[in-house]
Amino acid sequence: KAGVTQTPRYLIKTRGQQVTLSCSPISGHRSVSWYQQTPGQGLQFLFEYFSETQRNKGNFPGRFSGRQFSNSRSEMNVSTLELGDSALYLCASSFRGGNGYTFGSGTRLTVV
Amino acid sequence: GIQVEQSPPDLILQEGANSTLRCNFSDSVNNLQWFHQNPWGQLINLFYIPSGTKQNGRLSATTVATERYSLLYISSSQTTDSGVYFCAVGALKETSGSRLTFGEGTQLTVNP
Repeated sequence: KAGVTQTPRYLIKTRGQQVTLSCSPISGHRSVSWYQQTPGQGLQFLFEYFSETQRNKGNFPGRFSGRQFSNSRSEMNVSTLELGDSALYLCASSFRGGNGYTFGSGTRLTVV
Repeated sequence: GIQVEQSPPDLILQEGANSTLRCNFSDSVNNLQWFHQNPWGQLINLFYIPSGTKQNGRLSATTVATERYSLLYISSSQTTDSGVYFCAVGALKETSGSRLTFGEGTQLTVNP
């Protein structure tokens, strides 16, 4: 079966712009989580969605938001981009959360 | 929140050698996964192992939940095993959804 698909793979944006990243989970998986990976902070949890509801949220500013659609696909949005938002953004899906996650290939965002 | 410590931070091996990576965590967990991050950034799930022992080819893992640690064994290492290995846990106390907390990883280099 198809894995977790993230688009786009690479993005270059300018400070102050906003960006939307997309994640399609494995078919049948209802939980989608987002993580940010940077050299300085490592892998950090952003948020988790389950059945279109945000179920858990990490310690990130309100500029980071997300949503989940009825088909379980998820998007995350970062507004007013800062240089420090440059990172690899990873999406993970799970059947119901908490029982093993599968990660996508990630979106590498560069803010200039 | 739950703390995850991985050791060693760096490991250099000759091809054919065996190795053991360790993950200590500070609280009870309902999820523990080992990942290998490939050069393109994708986290490849190696094991979902909140307790017990599993084996997959040259890799095996053991989690002793009561003592709050997990071990990943790599036997007869190959150059393709190089990369960063992450341990990630989900805290049992997370009552709503689940988030993974990652360790800082072990950078493994296997030389030919």
